[in-house]
Amino acid sequence: DIQMTQSPASLSASLGETISIECLTSGGISNYLAWYQQKPGKAPQLLIYGGRSLQDGVPSRFSGSGSGTQYSLKISDIQPEDEGIYYCQQGYTYPLTFGSGTKLEIK
Amino acid sequence: EVQLVESGGGLVQPGRSLTLSCAASEFTFIHYYMAWVRQAPKKGLEWVATISTSGTTTYYPDSVRGRFTISRDNAKSSLSLQMNSLKSEDTATYYCARRHTRGAFWDYWGQGVMVTVSS
Repeated sequence: DIQMTQSPASLSASLGETISIECLTSGGISNYLAWYQQKPGKAPQLLIYGGRSLQDGVPSRFSGSGSGTQYSLKISDIQPEDEGIYYCQQGYTYPLTFGSGTKLEIK
Repeated sequence: EVQLVESGGGLVQPGRSLTLSCAASEFTFIHYYMAWVRQAPKKGLEWVATISTSGTTTYYPDSVRGRFTISRDNAKSSLSLQMNSLKSEDTATYYCARRHTRGAFWDYWGQGVMVTVSS
C-alpha cells in the first residue's frame, strides 16, 4: 500500500499570506495526486488533481506541484474562506489512500 | 448541477447489516466510475469501495473486503453499499462520490450519511 505522509498537521496563517502543505508518498505515484479541502460538516471539495491541474471553479490562488514521491499544495493570498482541513490523496494504485490532513486556521 | 444524495444510514448493532443508497442526477451516470468514501468522527478520510461503469469490476480495501459490497443500477442512476458484519470501527459518515474522468480522484460528493454501529 502507498502510505501518505502529510505535513504540517496544522498551521495558522494571516490574510494575504502564502502557505504550503506537503505530502510525501511511500512510493512513486506519477502525479496521480489530488488535494481536497473540507470545511466542518461538509463533504470534501476537489481542488487539484493530477498533481497540478486546477479543478473547475477553484480559485487560481490554489496551485499544486511535485513529482515522484513529493508533492505540495500552495495557497497564495490566503482568504477567510480558506479555513478548513486539507487532504492529499493518491489515485495511482489500489488501495486508494489519503494523507492525515492539515488543519488551516486563519488568524 | 451534479447531485448525489445518500440515504439509508442510522444506528445498527454490531454484526448486523445495513444498505446505503445514493441517488445520482444531472449527469450521465453510466459514464462514470463511482465510489464510497467514509470518515469516522473527528478522523480523516478512508476510501471504502469503487465500482466500474458497467458494475462488473469492484475494488475494496482490506478493511471492508468480504463484508461490504458496492453495486449500481445504471437504469436508475443509483449506487448502493451493502454492509454486512458491521463493526464499531465502521461508524462513520459515508459519502457517495463520482470519480473524475482524469483519474481515481473524486470531483463530486454527496452530503454524506451517518452510520453508527453500537449495541
